[in-house]
Amino acid sequence: GAVVSQHPSRVICKSGTSVKIECRSLDFQATTMFWYRQFPKQSLMLMATSNEGSKATYEQGVEKDKFLINHASLTLSTLTVTSAHPEDSSFYICSARDRVSGRAHNEQFFGPGTRLTVL
Amino acid sequence: DAKTTQPPSMDCAEGRAANLPCNHSTISGNEYVYWYRQIHSQGPQYIIHGLKNNETNEMASLIITEDRKSSTLILPHATLRDTAVYYCIVKSQGAQKLVFGQGTRLTINP
Repeated sequence: GAVVSQHPSRVICKSGTSVKIECRSLDFQATTMFWYRQFPKQSLMLMATSNEGSKATYEQGVEKDKFLINHASLTLSTLTVTSAHPEDSSFYICSARDRVSGRAHNEQFFGPGTRLTVL
Repeated sequence: DAKTTQPPSMDCAEGRAANLPCNHSTISGNEYVYWYRQIHSQGPQYIIHGLKNNETNEMASLIITEDRKSSTLILPHATLRDTAVYYCIVKSQGAQKLVFGQGTRLTINP
């Protein structure tokens, strides 16, 4: 099946710093990638939808200036958490949809997640 | 997209069939039923999806009622590695987003 990777898998940073998380589709091209956030014992919450070559669409309540998303190529999207604070500590998960319309009926392939801890 | 209702938790003995129910009484004619699962501290994994016919793949079977208001995911011979949170999601073919509910936490016991 299609593989999506995330880097780093874990990151610890100090409050006020910025953290970049990469999401890559390894064996397919993804015109659309999604970023989710998941707090402990809660479900995944969609943060934004990222389309290659265009601005991301953010869900209501998600600050676009704090969570910068760049989708510069068909295989890479990045999420930058700017001026991170302890309340941003969470599990960040990306997913990607295969560009080939006939493949897998538009299912999404998920990355393994990145655990961010802000001290 | 239509909302789904799932039991918060279920237990199943190893080697037995695990049957996970999902209610989606407001499902529309063009909406599919998708199932994903999330093993602890990992990203979700696609399992199966269907429109109105029953579906089977190497992971599971999906049984959708004739009125399409509910469905059941069947793991025919559950193993300890099937312990996970299982999400039932209803989505139209053209919609991009997956909206995750709370899912069912399935525990497979030895």
